[in-house]
Amino acid sequence: GENVEQHPSTLSVQEGDSAVIKCTYSDSASNYFPWYKQELGKRPQLIIDIRSNVGEKKDQRIAVTLNKTAKHFSLHITETQPEDSAVYFCAASSWGGVVIKAAGNKLTFGGGTRVLVKP
Amino acid sequence: NAGVMQNPRHLVRRRGQEARLRCSPMKGHSHVYWYRQLPEEGLKFMVYLQKENIIDESGMPKERFSAEFPKEGPSILRIQQVVRGDSAAYFCASSPGTSAYEQYFGPGTRLTVT
Repeated sequence: GENVEQHPSTLSVQEGDSAVIKCTYSDSASNYFPWYKQELGKRPQLIIDIRSNVGEKKDQRIAVTLNKTAKHFSLHITETQPEDSAVYFCAASSWGGVVIKAAGNKLTFGGGTRVLVKP
Repeated sequence: NAGVMQNPRHLVRRRGQEARLRCSPMKGHSHVYWYRQLPEEGLKFMVYLQKENIIDESGMPKERFSAEFPKEGPSILRIQQVVRGDSAAYFCASSPGTSAYEQYFGPGTRLTVT
């Protein structure tokens, strides 16, 4: 099955600096890579995602890059703010749009990165 | 436009009791996923259901755990004879099913077994 590794496990940055979180995956069939932000005691919130037919996607201060050959993808947060402090999870799945492909619909998560933005 | 709903938000059970966790997907979503999050850990897939069908239960423990998503009503995750190791946050997520890439999570049920 799929295995997703996430690094670093903790990341402390100064407000205004950039933060980068990296994930690697093992299953070459994976084609969907979402990132979730989870604040303490709250639900995981989808912040950005990328599909395997795209190499990079950007949404304001957040960007994600994907290298299919190397099987890794990264989250970049620029101009960090204190409200960016949270745990961030990467995930992978191999959703094929076909219901019978059952094993591919689940998300396999990385272990999470605790980001602390110091004011 | 209500999001994914889960109840109860907090559940305390003694060892040996049963826990029932409920999940109502977003309006228009027909696919439900359950994940478990142990303290200070990531989320682990448990089961994927559609209305009246279990599609993938590869992440479910073989014993004591079951899930359903009936034609009417919420999806239910049932844990029989709970043990301390079942203490965790249980999240459900829903997706539309057609362009089913995105999964949106509910607020979770935090189960504590005493």
